[in-house]
Order: sequence, then C-alpha cells, then structure tokens
Amino acid sequence: EPEVTQTPSHQVTQMGQEVILRCVPISNHLYFYWYRQILGQKVEFLVSFYNNEISEKSEIFDDQFSVERPDGSNFTLKIRSTKLEDSAMYFCASFSGGSYEQYFGPGTRLTVT
Amino acid sequence: AQKVTQAQTEISVVEKEDVTLDCVYETRDTTYYLFWYKQPPSGELVFLIRRNSFDEQNEISGRYSWNFQKSTSSFNFTITASQVVDSAVYFCALSERGGSGSRLTFGEGTQLTVNP
Repeated sequence: EPEVTQTPSHQVTQMGQEVILRCVPISNHLYFYWYRQILGQKVEFLVSFYNNEISEKSEIFDDQFSVERPDGSNFTLKIRSTKLEDSAMYFCASFSGGSYEQYFGPGTRLTVT
Repeated sequence: AQKVTQAQTEISVVEKEDVTLDCVYETRDTTYYLFWYKQPPSGELVFLIRRNSFDEQNEISGRYSWNFQKSTSSFNFTITASQVVDSAVYFCALSERGGSGSRLTFGEGTQLTVNP
C-alpha cells in the first residue's frame, strides 16, 4: 500500500539554525500539507500546497516558514531560524482529490535546544 | 470558521467496557467531511473513518461504530468491548468545502486509557 514518508524521524537543532523537513507524498496525489503538533496538544494546520503554489496557510505559517516541491517527489518544509517554540511533531500529508482522505506520514519530531 | 470540540480530555475504562468518545463540530458549509484519527503512543496518525455531510447513516466496523447526527452537529465514536490496544489519543477532525484540498481542523483529542 502506498504511503507518505518523512525524513528524518527526529531532528535536534539549536535555536537560530535553519532546518529542512522532508516528505515524499504518495505519487499520484495532488495536494500536500504540513501540520504541527506541539507535545500534548492538538494537531494544527500549517499550510497546503497545490499546483506548485501555496493554496492556504494558517496564522502560524509566518515568514520563518517556507515550503517547496523541488522535484517531482519531495515536498519540504523549511524553518529559517528556529525558536524554542518550534519544537513539535511535524506531519506531512497528501491527498488525491478523489477519496477525501488525507494520508499522513509518520511525522518528524523537531527538538530545538 | 470551522471548529471541533472534544470535551472529554481523558477517559479511563476497564477492558471489555464500552466507551463513547464525543465530538461536536461547527461549520457554515453545507458540504463537509468528518474524520476520526487514532494516535497511539508511537505518535503516528492512523485514519479510522471519513463521513460526508450528506450521509447520516451510522457505520460499524468491527468493534468500532460511529453515530453522525447533523441535528446536534455531533459525530460520536463508540468502541465496544474495549481492549488494552485501544489505548491512544483519538482526534476528531473536520474538512470544509467538500474536502477538496481544504485543511483539516482537529479537536483537542481524547486520551483513552484501557486498563486490564
């Protein structure tokens, strides 16, 4: 069964450093998403991406964040200058447009020290 | 704006008990989708069910059942004869605009603990 993959599974970085979280969505999917879950809290939407551009973003997704689909398979989330409060689990999801189910990756746990 | 409320923060039951997790939603759209996800201690999000706003039929899948009532804007989830492996955080979520590319809004989650 096709699945969304994410790398790395755990990333530790120092405050102020840039991080790139990587995702490989399911190959025939058209919509891509990033969500964030701070430990012990709910899952929050960050951004959606369709047709090589951002289709929607939340108020969390400020200028420190960017997304890119650099090739036909990867979908990345970049945080330019990490803060302590960026520590969270980051989930990538993809969606075909037909089944109405968003398929989630296993997540990347980001720890900012 | 869409909103999902899961009023039960934590529920603790003994194995074989039935348990119902509540979910109440708010949306202005007439076309929307409701979801339940399970998050075990390992952290991944496991899809359980999707229901569209035009289908109010209750659904049963093994020990799981879902009760969708538009009149009360609720989409409750029942686990029958609970097992220790059911211990997890369960999230209810809502997608507006028929689900086409729109964001999922999650509730706060309910931590279910099933004790042996």
